[in-house]
Amino acid sequence: GEQVEQLPSILRVQEGSSASINCSYEDSASNYFPWYKQEPGENPKLIIDIRSNMERKQIQELIVLLDKKAKRFSLHITDTQPGDSAMYFCAARDYGNEKITFGAGTKLTIKP
Amino acid sequence: EAAVTQSPRSKVAVTGGKVTLSCHQTNNHDYMYWYRQDTGHGLRLIHYSYVADSTEKGDIPDGYKASRPSQENFSLILELASLSQTAVYFCASSDREGEQYFGPGTRLTVL
Repeated sequence: GEQVEQLPSILRVQEGSSASINCSYEDSASNYFPWYKQEPGENPKLIIDIRSNMERKQIQELIVLLDKKAKRFSLHITDTQPGDSAMYFCAARDYGNEKITFGAGTKLTIKP
Repeated sequence: EAAVTQSPRSKVAVTGGKVTLSCHQTNNHDYMYWYRQDTGHGLRLIHYSYVADSTEKGDIPDGYKASRPSQENFSLILELASLSQTAVYFCASSDREGEQYFGPGTRLTVL
């Protein structure tokens, strides 16, 4: 089955700087790549996603890049704010397949 | 807005006892999932279903059963709860487009 590796597991950045999280996957059939944010005691919530027909997607301060050849995708948060502190999970899914595989997560802390 | 509810929200069970976690969605989604999350870790898929009356094993099905009696409802059953099953359990639903909507989670403590 699909395997998703997510790095780093812990990330601390200064407020106002950028944060980057990287994921890689194994199954070339995967074509949907969501990112979820989970705050303490809460459920994961979708923040941005990208499909395989795109290489880049941006929603406000969130940028997702997808390199299908390398089977890598990444999340970049620009101008980080304290509210960005949370756990972030990447995932990969084969469109039309029922299963979605999550990375192990990145704990992001924004330092004031 | 998509709605997935779970019950109970918190439960304490005894080792060897039976536990049933329930999930209900009003999204009209075909797919439903059960995940467990251990403190500070990621989401691991236990069971999932893409149609009523049918369930599939996920990545860590041992010690768990699932039941999908209707499109809206999906249950996770621990026949003989063990200490190692202490975790937070999330239910989720999705359509073919992929976005998963998660329930609020159930915190299960097995003593």
